[in-house]
Amino acid sequence: EPEVTQTPSHQVTQMGQEVILRCVPISNHLYFYWYRQILGQKVEFLVSFYNNEISEKSEIFDDQFSVERPDGSNFTLKIRSTKLEDSAMYFCASSEYGGNQPQHFGDGTRLSIL
Amino acid sequence: GESVGLHLPTLSVQEGDNSIINCAYSNSASDYFIWYKQESGKGPQFIIDIRSNMDKRQGQRVTVLLNKTVKHLSLQIAATQPGDSAVYFCAEREQGGSEKLVFGKGMKLTVNP
Repeated sequence: EPEVTQTPSHQVTQMGQEVILRCVPISNHLYFYWYRQILGQKVEFLVSFYNNEISEKSEIFDDQFSVERPDGSNFTLKIRSTKLEDSAMYFCASSEYGGNQPQHFGDGTRLSIL
Repeated sequence: GESVGLHLPTLSVQEGDNSIINCAYSNSASDYFIWYKQESGKGPQFIIDIRSNMDKRQGQRVTVLLNKTVKHLSLQIAATQPGDSAVYFCAEREQGGSEKLVFGKGMKLTVNP
């Protein structure tokens, strides 16, 4: 069964450094998403991406965050200057057509900021 | 405002019993709901979804019920197995073009053999 894959599974980074989290969505899907989950808290929406542009973003997704689809298979989340509070699980998801279609999630990248 | 919450933080059942996991939502504008299962170290795994024009939907061993009058969603798992042990999340999507899923806090289901 096709699945969303994310790398790395765990990323440890010094505060202030840039980090790039990588995702390969399901191949025929058109909508891509990033969510995060701080330990013990709810899964929170960050951004949605369709047709090579951001379609929606949350207030969490500030100027330090960016997303990119550099080629036909990868979808990345960059945090330009990491802060301690960016420590969380980051989940990538994809959906075939968006709207009332399920979003399928990867197993996440655990980001630890020191 | 938007919020989705789960009534019970933990549920412990015996193998073979039926389980019911409940969820309340506050946004009457939501038109799509999903249940996810999350096992330790893994991402949310899609279980079943339901649109607001339905009140019941069945899958394999699972049934989702939607009561729009009281803004309540439930997930019924028949003949619960140890492999069903996980954290379960409900999530909602607001009508009108938003792609954002709003997740509840999660409820841990433990199935005792």
